[in-house]
Amino acid sequence: ETGVTQSPTHLIKTRGQQVTLRCSSQSGHNTVSWYQQALGQGPQFIFQYYREEENGRGNFPPRFSGLQFPNYSSELNVNALELDDSALYLCASSSWTGRINYGYTFGSGTRLTVV
Amino acid sequence: TQLLEQSPQFLSIQEGENLTVYCNSSSVFSSLQWYRQEPGEGPVLLVTVVTGGEVKKLKRLTFQFGDARKDSSLHITAAQPGDTGLYLCAGVGNTGGFKTIFGAGTRLFVKA
Repeated sequence: ETGVTQSPTHLIKTRGQQVTLRCSSQSGHNTVSWYQQALGQGPQFIFQYYREEENGRGNFPPRFSGLQFPNYSSELNVNALELDDSALYLCASSSWTGRINYGYTFGSGTRLTVV
Repeated sequence: TQLLEQSPQFLSIQEGENLTVYCNSSSVFSSLQWYRQEPGEGPVLLVTVVTGGEVKKLKRLTFQFGDARKDSSLHITAAQPGDTGLYLCAGVGNTGGFKTIFGAGTRLFVKA
């Protein structure tokens, strides 16, 4: 198993800029989800992709968007960055059979700081 | 909106003590997962419970899913300093797709 890898590990951006975060899913997994984790909080669900289509979204504005590629890698794009977007962004992959989700494999995250 | 409430938020205990962490919701979940997260790392899956009333044991950790699949508990027996970390519960939605909701976490500190 290769695990989930995310890049970059750390990133500093200026308010108003755009950012793209990348994720490589664990081998054999067909679903990828993205989470935002503020300091001292649990992860907040942003969205998830299955077979390159978004099939679930949390309470995040449209400036948060994503892509899943045929090789199950994924991107999270955030436009018009705000100071409150500063957080740890986690990517997680899983294998969905259509019934039960038996758990995610998480990457180590990208720490985004907006100044 | 589905919400998961975890309690307590913070727990500091002596090595050898027992503890229980609770995860409660008004929503029904198709499965519930427990994760442990270390600083600077992503959460690591400990267990997934699927059936109402299900009990799973992982060494000194015992996980239980409520009969109605709305709540869960994690019990640690004879805690050790190595158990220190952030424990997160996550409920997977009962509708199409599997939107996962995390609790805010319980930060456990076990003193030697």
